[in-house]
Amino acid sequence: AQTVTQSQPEMSVQEAETVTLSCTYDTSENNYYLFWYKQPPSRQMILVIRQEAYKQQNATENRFSVNFQKAAKSFSLKISDSQLGDTAMYFCAFMVPPGAQKLVFGQGTRLTINP
Amino acid sequence: DADVTQTPRNRITKTGKRIMLECSQTKGHDRMYWYRQDPGLGLRLIYYSFDVKDINKGEISDGYSVSRQAQAKFSLSLESAIPNQTALYFCATGQTSNEQFFGPGTRLTVL
Repeated sequence: AQTVTQSQPEMSVQEAETVTLSCTYDTSENNYYLFWYKQPPSRQMILVIRQEAYKQQNATENRFSVNFQKAAKSFSLKISDSQLGDTAMYFCAFMVPPGAQKLVFGQGTRLTINP
Repeated sequence: DADVTQTPRNRITKTGKRIMLECSQTKGHDRMYWYRQDPGLGLRLIYYSFDVKDINKGEISDGYSVSRQAQAKFSLSLESAIPNQTALYFCATGQTSNEQFFGPGTRLTVL
């Protein structure tokens, strides 16, 4: 069974700083997808970034980037130039295609950006 | 209009009551999912469906049932609600792109 672990329950940084959220996973599969979802106080789940395991290049989306270390089974999220609107719960998730494409989530990290 | 909608958005009920949470989507996706979110546990899969005739149990299906009334509608029922089913419930849809699209969530409180 696949598992996803986020070891930082809470983090807090000042606005404009860079912050890195950690995520590790366990799987015997070779082909899979990794995701970071953001959940602001509105509780909507918003996809931040996605990484395909077969791609060695780390995914980036504007201020958000990942450090994907396949051998170490690590998938961290870096937020550069953090903004107040980045305050949210962040969930790391894992999916094995094809088939059911079920998402397996980590426990979440509550990130607070302070002014 | 939102692509994935859930009703109700909030619900308070009593132990032993039957309750149904509804999900509708306009994305035309075949796959639909129900997840439950608890503090410190993330989201866990309850049930998922590939189409109207294909329903599958997820990680934590005990105490829940589902109905896929149409491609666009997927309902979650609690036959006899209990307090430890108090949680935030999410419906999601997916297609072959491997991305899932989530509804706004239903906060359920069982007293």
